[in-house]
Amino acid sequence: DAGVTQSPTHLIKTRGQQVTLRCSPKSGHDTVSWYQQALGQGPQFIFQYYEEEERQRGNFPDRFSGHQFPNYSSELNVNALLLGDSALYLCASSLKADTQYFGPGTRLTVL
Amino acid sequence: QKEVEQDPGPLSVPEGAIVSLNCTYSNSAFQYFMWYRQYSRKGPELLMYTYSSGNKEDGRFTAQVDKSSKYISLFIRDSQPSDSATYLCAMNSADFNKFYFGSGTKLNVKP
Repeated sequence: DAGVTQSPTHLIKTRGQQVTLRCSPKSGHDTVSWYQQALGQGPQFIFQYYEEEERQRGNFPDRFSGHQFPNYSSELNVNALLLGDSALYLCASSLKADTQYFGPGTRLTVL
Repeated sequence: QKEVEQDPGPLSVPEGAIVSLNCTYSNSAFQYFMWYRQYSRKGPELLMYTYSSGNKEDGRFTAQVDKSSKYISLFIRDSQPSDSATYLCAMNSADFNKFYFGSGTKLNVKP
């Protein structure tokens, strides 16, 4: 049973560029959440997708957008990258409210 | 006030010690409580989750929830150097569709 997978592992972009990160949830899970984790900090909730719609959103600007596909996989898009967007981006999947499972993360560096 | 408070540490203990990690929270609606272990530059790994109040034990790990005090704990017995990581608490309510995280406690177990 494959766990949550994310791609790519690492990414280097320059300011102003756009980036797309991908996530496949754990088998049987239908809900995908995205988090941003800066060094030394806990994960910060970006948004959650369920049934291909954004169900909940954290305090992130509209530059952060997402999508969920019929197979429950998801993408996170970030436009007009800023230096402060450099972080570990985590995808987590869940089926019920009791817990969620994380992928290995995508480390984004903005130069 | 943050929804979830967690002492960032670092916490340094000798091998074999009993470790106590704690979080406090403000929202009495939280029902599901989780502990994650995160090694440097990796995704969080689910260690334990509990529902409502009480204790749950799994090997060397014990999770405790005291809803009356809005306080949760993770105990690690016979700590090992391989336990050195950052420990994150998280919690949720079935109504919220969103998980709230502490900022993480960094643990160092010295051989």
